[in-house]
Amino acid sequence: ELKVEQNPLFLSMQEGKNYTIYCNYSTTSDRLYWYRQDPGKSLESLFVLLSNGAVKQEGRLMASLDTKARLSTLHITAAVHDLSATYFCAVDIYTDKLIFGTGTRLQVFP
Amino acid sequence: EAQVTQNPRYLITVTGKKLTVTCSQNMNHEYMSWYRQDPGLGLRQIYYSMNVEVTDKGDVPEGYKVSRKEKRNFPLILESPSPNQTSLYFCASSYDSYEQYFGPGTRLTVT
Repeated sequence: ELKVEQNPLFLSMQEGKNYTIYCNYSTTSDRLYWYRQDPGKSLESLFVLLSNGAVKQEGRLMASLDTKARLSTLHITAAVHDLSATYFCAVDIYTDKLIFGTGTRLQVFP
Repeated sequence: EAQVTQNPRYLITVTGKKLTVTCSQNMNHEYMSWYRQDPGLGLRQIYYSMNVEVTDKGDVPEGYKVSRKEKRNFPLILESPSPNQTSLYFCASSYDSYEQYFGPGTRLTVT
């Protein structure tokens, strides 16, 4: 069974701290995506990782992909309240078929 | 403005009453998909389409139908809705499989 597992599922962190969200998947894939969802809103694309060793950064977020380990990470640096949201990773099995993780709900407090 | 639109945004209906949720994109994307989002389960793909008249089942297609007669539209049809189809539905489109653009969502309640 194809699985995409994220952990933690819930993350409460203080402003200014660093943390990493992990996304493990159980099948071969070299494409992985990270999305952000604010409460009551749609999904917003954050990162597209297309090859082993890919690393992308945007502001306080950095995503990486290790296809051999079937692992992607989303690292948060010096968290701010505006980063509070739910973050999803999704693995591309083949064209246009995505398997999503269950999401990590992040809350950043002062 | 490039976007994916869905209608209606909110719908309350009764068991067995056929309904259609429309999805339209103005980006000339070939790929379109439907997902449902349920608490604790993330997003699960219902159906997807790689081009006009080409559709295929996703992970949870039971109870749903789709059609792709035009490139821009990809309606989701529930012939006989049941309470277990109460969910938040998202349509998405992409030019290729690299990045999907999501619609605003349709919250459906079936009583």
